[in-house]
Amino acid sequence: AQSVTQLGSHVSVSEGALVLLRCNYSSSVPPYLFWYVQYPNQGLQLLLKYTTGATLVKGINGFEAEFKKSETSFHLTKPSAHMSDAAEYFCAVSGSSNYKLTFGKGTLLTVNP
Amino acid sequence: KAGVTQTPRYLIKTRGQQVTLSCSPISGHRSVSWYQQTPGQGLQFLFEYFSETQRNKGNFPGRFSGRQFSNSRSEMNVSTLELGDSALYLCASSDRQGSAGYTFGSGTRLTVV
Repeated sequence: AQSVTQLGSHVSVSEGALVLLRCNYSSSVPPYLFWYVQYPNQGLQLLLKYTTGATLVKGINGFEAEFKKSETSFHLTKPSAHMSDAAEYFCAVSGSSNYKLTFGKGTLLTVNP
Repeated sequence: KAGVTQTPRYLIKTRGQQVTLSCSPISGHRSVSWYQQTPGQGLQFLFEYFSETQRNKGNFPGRFSGRQFSNSRSEMNVSTLELGDSALYLCASSDRQGSAGYTFGSGTRLTVV
């Protein structure tokens, strides 16, 4: 069974500040890990993914995440927040032979001017 | 390349009725998954189809069903609607077994009154 825990349902940062959204996962098989972003009244957009290989993954819009197996974590970071980053962010896990995504509860990111 | 298209975008139905939602995946994608998103339960996996075969099913009652056609388009059906079925229903497609990540549509917002 797989599960995802996102610490903090709401994170608020100032524009230009570091963004850190936390994600811990549980998986009995080597995981595939994803971060998605959702803007109001829209679907989910893939920010980045980890499948195999390099543990530091770079995504779109300046986001990156690091897969740490020993900590079962996949935290999302961005050095400098922009107003347009305000949205809800979801961490998700799947197995290499399991075709479903298990999502965390989401973290709502607010960016203050 | 056209994205994942879901129709209709919005739908209002009465309790006890049935509803059919449609999803057209990205051209060439053979895997289609469906998710239900609600404020209380978050994002939950409904089912996944690959080449017209259901490969995985989530923990939903039998009132929820789906199918995939030979052109990879998919439909999901909910019979005997309940108020609790009000949700955003998201369709996602992938060209691989999940490793490339799933591309989501904008969703169908179903309201049951």
